[in-house]
Amino acid sequence: EAQVTQNPRYLITVTGKKLTVTCSQNMNHEYMSWYRQDPGLGLRQIYYSMNVEVTDKGDVPEGYKVSRKEKRNFPLILESPSPNQTSLYFCASSLLQGAEEKLFFGSGTQLSVL
Amino acid sequence: RKEVEQDPGPFNVPEGATVAFNCTYSNSASQSFFWYRQDCRKEPKLLMSVYSSGNEDGRFTAQLNRASQYISLLIRDSKLSDSATYLCVVIGNNFNKFYFGSGTKLNVKP
Repeated sequence: EAQVTQNPRYLITVTGKKLTVTCSQNMNHEYMSWYRQDPGLGLRQIYYSMNVEVTDKGDVPEGYKVSRKEKRNFPLILESPSPNQTSLYFCASSLLQGAEEKLFFGSGTQLSVL
Repeated sequence: RKEVEQDPGPFNVPEGATVAFNCTYSNSASQSFFWYRQDCRKEPKLLMSVYSSGNEDGRFTAQLNRASQYISLLIRDSKLSDSATYLCVVIGNNFNKFYFGSGTKLNVKP
């Protein structure tokens, strides 16, 4: 089944404790992206990647890191989480070619930083 | 100005009603347009792509107006299960970014 797998689904952590949220897709998509969603603010892009070893900042990259060493994986790293990073996070991927431009989303990670 | 703007709603409608949402976009060179549906705290899921010629899928009809830079979604014969937030999504002219509206919330009441 074609899907984007994101883990964990829920995460509670404390300020300053490094964490990684994993994202993997099995559709051979070049494009992958991370978003955060906060009430009243909609989906905001954190980072995106057009292909292996190619990553770029989105609208809200501060406090986040990403890597794209393999095509299928695009982990989101919070080196020193802070309470303002408490949010709902989504990973997404796309082929970005004609009719396959649509985004496929992971099921989300609800992060709480205490 | 935001790239994509939507009326946040909520739109409260009775079952069986017809409801329409609009979404405006600021970049006239935008290439692709979509409507996504998002249930509370779940991932957005593609509802429809939007083409210049318009497209219809059952009770749902999407239209694109490039001259006025807006897309629309029409839902006929609303069902309780249509209650959700509807996101307008636009791909920019450089094909590397998806722009999201903040969503329009629909509540369909019995």
